Amino acid sequence: QKEVEQDPGPLSVPEGAIVSLNCTYSNSAFQYFMWYRQYSRKGPELLMYTYSSGNKEDGRFTAQVDKSSKYISLFIRDSQPSDSATYLCAMSAAYGGATNKLIFGTGTLLAVQP
Amino acid sequence: DAGVIQSPRHEVTEMGQEVTLRCKLISGHNSLFWYRQTMMRGLELLIYFNNNVPIDDSGMPEDRFSAKMPNASFSTLKIQPSEPRDSAVYFCAGGGTINSNQPQHFGDGTRLSIL
Repeated sequence: QKEVEQDPGPLSVPEGAIVSLNCTYSNSAFQYFMWYRQYSRKGPELLMYTYSSGNKEDGRFTAQVDKSSKYISLFIRDSQPSDSATYLCAMSAAYGGATNKLIFGTGTLLAVQP
Repeated sequence: DAGVIQSPRHEVTEMGQEVTLRCKLISGHNSLFWYRQTMMRGLELLIYFNNNVPIDDSGMPEDRFSAKMPNASFSTLKIQPSEPRDSAVYFCAGGGTINSNQPQHFGDGTRLSIL
């Protein structure tokens, strides 16, 4: 079993829809949770960063972490065609920015249809 | 990301040849990470350096792979000899110091095809 599981999709939604992306994990030591967005032929870019359980909102994006269920989510409100990309969840057992390993999900391909 | 420059962007070569991938950190980073991305396995960490010192190379698949960081802003990942199963997109990322709030910033990758 992989440490981080993510539905690969593809997920196709109409413009304006609410999108829900999810990951589950098995390592209870994970404390730091990230969502990266990756456009075709580009590197992943950090979208959201959360610590431990709870919610974090940034514009149309909301990240949720439920450590009791080992489940994280990313919600996108009023989705736009420009949101079409692969979304990768990532997590680490200590501060993930520098010297600690990030474990990535395999990514969910999202297509927002105009 | 303008902070991490990778070269070449694309590399096509025949099996058995030596391949060298390069990464230059433009912005201030104290750590450097090499990843490999494939459809089957997703994004996998190969090796990372902190202050030019290799910290964890447990993700390096085998002895054919080697990485160096001769100075604070430059690193190479070498595959010798290359094999078709090494075909993937290789990413370099820069990060901050221990316990910093700086996230990892990725370059745009090198798309490697071994024929």
